[in-house]
Amino acid sequence: NAGVMQNPRHLVRRRGQEARLRCSPMKGHSHVYWYRQLPEEGLKFMVYLQKENIIDESGMPKERFSAEFPKEGPSILRIQQVVRGDSAAYFCASSPSNTDTQYFGPGTRLTVL
Amino acid sequence: GDSVTQMEGPVTLSEEAFLTINCTYTATGYPSLFWYVQYPGEGLQLLLKATKADDKGSNKGFEATYRKETTSFHLEKGSVQVSDSAVYFCALNAGGTSYGKLTFGQGTILTVHP
Repeated sequence: NAGVMQNPRHLVRRRGQEARLRCSPMKGHSHVYWYRQLPEEGLKFMVYLQKENIIDESGMPKERFSAEFPKEGPSILRIQQVVRGDSAAYFCASSPSNTDTQYFGPGTRLTVL
Repeated sequence: GDSVTQMEGPVTLSEEAFLTINCTYTATGYPSLFWYVQYPGEGLQLLLKATKADDKGSNKGFEATYRKETTSFHLEKGSVQVSDSAVYFCALNAGGTSYGKLTFGQGTILTVHP
């Protein structure tokens, strides 16, 4: 059973461009979570999605950030008009239910020049 | 709100030394508690967990006991190895309306020397 997959592993964008981060959950997992890890800090919750629904987006910045988890395909975290402060590692996790252990992907390291 | 506080690092030990990384939490209700480990350049791996008071989670020689009276979940290992060098994160899932959301401590860097 493959683990949580994220791509790309590394992404470089210039200020003002768009960043699209993809996450494929483990087989059988319908709950997906996105976290952000800024340099020298712990992980901060961003958003929790279940197939086609956003359950909790209390950690998402109000502007430029959006997330989706369509019926088919991976979950996407989209950052529009990136700024240098968006440089961070973005981790996706999945679980079979919201009370189960979350399993993390390897992360996407975004660098904004 | 919910929060997790870990002892500040970095922690540097010699091989075979005893390890303790302190973790205390604040949460309403009865959270589940976790320790995750992150090796350089990788994602987080679940190390152990406990879902109710007095539960002891254990894995690979690491242990942690859920202490409701002191709101703590300290990580211990009797004899560390060089391969244990990593960043360790304590986390909680508060449940209730926060189901699904993990709250993490700031992480503790552990370096083990031969």
